[in-house]
Amino acid sequence: EAQVTQNPRYLITVTGKKLTVTCSQNMNHEYMSWYRQDPGLGLRQIYYSMNVEATDKGDVPEGYKVSRKEKRNFPLILESPSPNQTSLYFCASSQGTATINEQFFGPGTRLTVL
Amino acid sequence: QKEVEQDPGPLSVPEGAIVSLNCTYSNSAFQYFMWYRQYSRKGPELLMYTYSSGNKEDGRFTAQVDKSSKYISLFIRDSQPSDSATYLCAMIRSGNTPLVFGKGTRLSVIA
Repeated sequence: EAQVTQNPRYLITVTGKKLTVTCSQNMNHEYMSWYRQDPGLGLRQIYYSMNVEATDKGDVPEGYKVSRKEKRNFPLILESPSPNQTSLYFCASSQGTATINEQFFGPGTRLTVL
Repeated sequence: QKEVEQDPGPLSVPEGAIVSLNCTYSNSAFQYFMWYRQYSRKGPELLMYTYSSGNKEDGRFTAQVDKSSKYISLFIRDSQPSDSATYLCAMIRSGNTPLVFGKGTRLSVIA
């Protein structure tokens, strides 16, 4: 089944404890992206990647890191999480490098930073 | 002024009603317009995609774009309880620029 998977789905952590949210897609998509979704603010892009070893900042990159060493994986790293990073996170991927292509979203990761 | 404005609702309608969801935008450079649907506890999924001004129909759904007014709409005919979800508009300036999303409108269709 074609899909985008994220792990973990739910995470509660404490301020300053490094964490990684994994994202994997099995559709051989070039483009991958991370978003956060907050009430009243909607979906905002954190980072995106046009292809392997090519990543770029979105609208809200502060406090996040990403890497794209393989085509299928695009982990989101929070080196020192803070409470304002409590949010619902979505990974997405699309065919080709043009963002007009349909983006397929993962199921989301709900992160709480205490 | 935010680039994309969308009334968050919530919007509650009876089953069978015609629903109108709207977004306005400020940047005339936006060329591609999309509507995503997001069910509770799920990721968004693409519903419809349009490029130019005019209407595009897909079953009970019609997407409308008016570039002169910087206004896009999604109409749902004969609404069903299964249409209850959050609907997000999204738009792009060109092929390799990020999607810009509206905040989403939460819709409830009551049986």
